[in-house]
Order: sequence, then C-alpha cells, then structure tokens
Amino acid sequence: AQKITQTQPGMFVQEKEAVTLDCTYDTSDQSYGLFWYKQPSSGEMIFLIYQGSYDEQNATEGRYSLNFQKARKSANLVISASQLGDSAMYFCAMRERTYSGGGADGLTFGKGTHLIIQP
Amino acid sequence: EAGVTQSPTHLIKTRGQQATLRCSPISGHTSVYWYQQALGLGLQFLLWYDEGEERNRGNFPPRFSGRQFPNYSSELNVNALELEDSALYLCASRLGGTFTDTQYFGPGTRLTVL
Repeated sequence: AQKITQTQPGMFVQEKEAVTLDCTYDTSDQSYGLFWYKQPSSGEMIFLIYQGSYDEQNATEGRYSLNFQKARKSANLVISASQLGDSAMYFCAMRERTYSGGGADGLTFGKGTHLIIQP
Repeated sequence: EAGVTQSPTHLIKTRGQQATLRCSPISGHTSVYWYQQALGLGLQFLLWYDEGEERNRGNFPPRFSGRQFPNYSSELNVNALELEDSALYLCASRLGGTFTDTQYFGPGTRLTVL
C-alpha cells in the first residue's frame, strides 16, 4: 500500500484563487512528520511547510497552510491567493518514527501534483 | 547561510562511462541523501549517509555508490552508465537531531547519457 497518496496528477487554477492540493497518508505510528515541497521546472525541491503529528495547530507559512485532519489521515496544502510563480510540481512527504523501509530513513514521497496557474 | 550546493549543474556522458556528482550540505548538517528523478517520475531514494557512513540504500544496482567525507560533503558515483541513468540527481541534507528535521535539497545535477 502507498504511504503517501496524491490523487490530483494535475490542476489548473485561475490566478488569485485559493488552491487545495490533496494528500493522504498511511501510517501506524503515533509520531510522524508531514512535509510539502515545491519543484519548479528548474528542478530544485523547495521546502514549503511542516506539520508534526502532535501539533495541535495547523501549520502556516505565509501564503501556505496545511489542513491537517489526523483522524482522516489527510494533510492538504492550501495556497491562498495563487500567483503565476506558484506553477510547479508539489510533493507531499512523510517521515515516520518507526522506519519500516521504503524510504531513506522513513521519509517517503507522493507522486506529486502538477499545478498550473492561469492568468 | 548557504544552502545545499551540487556540482556540476549538467553532466553529459556516454554509455559505459563513469559519472561523479558532488554535494555540499548546509553547514552543521551531518546527513546527506541522494535521490534520482527520471523524467516524469517521482523521487527515487538512492543513498543515505550520516556521520561518514552509509546508513541505507534504495533499490539500485551496486554500480551506484558513493561516500561521505569528514566535512560531510558527499560524492555519488555511477559506473558503467546506461541510457536509463539519464535523470535529475538531487542531494538533500538534514540536521539529524530529531527524526522530524527537514531535508533541504540542492539544485540538482542533470545527467544525460548518450
């Protein structure tokens, strides 16, 4: 079973609209971390936001926020007021405390969502 | 503070040759990770080094190897290059203090095998 599932291969959004990128995860650990990365066409992976499993508040970083629903095992990324420069691939990732294989040290990535912001 | 750096930016090789890719982590980071991203695919974990030792490797043949130096920089070597090795190779570093520490990525090296 996939540990990280991103169900939206691609999305088209109008500039200035809010965007929600879906991410669901699968773990039996109580302690884990969730990460979102942005990859523009240049290739570099840019860290956006982190959410710990015990964090009571949803993480926010500028225009990025993470809608964390622990019971549903979802960690959706919300981008407010989208900009043309937000066009990129977005990857959700998870690191579990118990390393059960499949990633470097328990960090596994989803397959990504290709977001295109239209003017 | 300088981020993760990688060199070269681009590398063109022919089948059968060897490629060497280099990575310098963020100052103070002891863990270095290597990933392969072939065109249109997600990240495939290659290797993880911490404190100079290889901690884990992904599902890649032994011709993918590397090392970590005392200053925590790292080198990825790919021997007997094949066409399917053409990809973006990303290096990431992590502080290593707690398991939730973030991996920060470099700009990548684009390897083309002709």
